[in-house]
Amino acid sequence: QKEVEQDPGPLSVPEGAIVSLNCTYSNSAFQYFMWYRQYSRKGPELLMYTYSSGNKEDGRFTAQVDKSSKYISLFIRDSQPSDSATYLCAMSAGAGNNRKLIWGLGTSLAVNP
Amino acid sequence: DAGITQSPRHKVTETGTPVTLRCHQTENHRYMYWYRQDPGHGLRLIHYSYGVKDTDKGEVSDGYSVSRSKTEDFLLTLESATSSQTSVYFCAISEGGGTQYFGPGTRLTVL
Repeated sequence: QKEVEQDPGPLSVPEGAIVSLNCTYSNSAFQYFMWYRQYSRKGPELLMYTYSSGNKEDGRFTAQVDKSSKYISLFIRDSQPSDSATYLCAMSAGAGNNRKLIWGLGTSLAVNP
Repeated sequence: DAGITQSPRHKVTETGTPVTLRCHQTENHRYMYWYRQDPGHGLRLIHYSYGVKDTDKGEVSDGYSVSRSKTEDFLLTLESATSSQTSVYFCAISEGGGTQYFGPGTRLTVL
């Protein structure tokens, strides 16, 4: 079993929909949780960063961490065609060699006009 | 991609030839990473560096070596390229707080 599980999709939604992307993990030592967005033929770019549990909101994006369930989510409100990309979750325990990120495989999202 | 460049951006080479990829940063970040990204496998860490001349292996380090003689440069070398090393290679940098920032990638094809 992988340390981080992420449904690869693809996920296809109409413009304006609310999108929910999720990852589950097994390592209870993870403290740092990130979502990256990757457009085709580009490098991943950091979208959201959360330390420990709770919610974080940035514009149309909300990241949630539920450490008791070992589950993280990214919500996209009022989705736009420009949100079409692959979304990768990543996490780490944060100290020493545990600064290494453990990655999900990514979920491919298509937002249709 | 601001502050991180990778060269070359595309390369086609033949099996058995040596290949060196370069990552250059202008952010003065301590940590630098090399990943490969393949369908079905996602991002996999090859090697990383936690300072000048300080490097360590990642999960897929066989067939790869790295060097970091200056803070700003991190080189990845394939001593004798094989077709299984055809991939997209990404460099990333970090200050160590948990987040990493990625370069634009290098597409390598080994024939």
